[in-house]
Amino acid sequence: QKEVEQDPGPLSVPEGAIVSLNCTYSNSAFQYFMWYRQYSRKGPELLMYTYSSGNKEDGRFTAQVDKSSKYISLFIRDSQPSDSATYLCAMRKESGGYNKLIFGAGTRLAVHP
Amino acid sequence: KAGVTQTPRYLIKTRGQQVTLSCSPISGHRSVSWYQQTPGQGLQFLFEYFSETQRNKGNFPGRFSGRQFSNSRSEMNVSTLELGDSALYLCASSQDRGVNEKLFFGSGTQLSVL
Repeated sequence: QKEVEQDPGPLSVPEGAIVSLNCTYSNSAFQYFMWYRQYSRKGPELLMYTYSSGNKEDGRFTAQVDKSSKYISLFIRDSQPSDSATYLCAMRKESGGYNKLIFGAGTRLAVHP
Repeated sequence: KAGVTQTPRYLIKTRGQQVTLSCSPISGHRSVSWYQQTPGQGLQFLFEYFSETQRNKGNFPGRFSGRQFSNSRSEMNVSTLELGDSALYLCASSQDRGVNEKLFFGSGTQLSVL
C-alpha cells in the first residue's frame, strides 16, 4: 500500500463548478501538507502549504487538513478552464528528510466551458 | 526573480549511455532536490543537496548520482541508462533546509532512453 493515496481521475467538471480533490495517507509522521498544480510539460507549481488541521484559504482555493482522519482536501471554487491541470498532493515529515516530499499520484482535472 | 532553470529541456539517449542534467536554483536558494516523474510511479525523490553535500537520498540505484557546486547549481548523472530511466527529471530548490521551507520546481528535463 502506498503511503499517500490519491484518485488519478480524470475529473471533468463544467466551468463554475466547485471541485473537490482529496488525498489520504497512512503515516502519522506526515505533518506538513502541500498542493501542487502541474500543467502539461511543466513542473509542479506550489498552490497551498498547510501544517495545522483545519482550513486555509487563498483566493478560490481552500486547503483542508484532518490529521485525525489522515485526510486532506483541496477545494476550487468557481472553477475555470485555466484550472485544467494535474493536481498533486505532497507531504513531509516533522523531522529529517526536509525536502523529501512524498507525492500522491495526482488527479487530472478538466474544466470545460 | 528567475525561477528554477533546467537544461536541457529534452534529451534522447540509447541504452548503456550516460547522461548529465543541469539545474540552476532560484537566486539565493541553497538547497536543491531532484525528483523523477513517470506515469507509473509518479513523483519520486532522488536526492537533496545543500552546501555541496548530499543530505538525503531516495531509493534509487547507485547509477543515479548528483553533485552541487559552490554557487548552488546542481547536476545529476545517470550512468548505464536503462529503458526504465525514461522519465521527466525535476529539480526543485528551496532557500534553506527546514520543515517550513517551500519547494519550487523547474520545468524538468524529459529523458527518453531508446
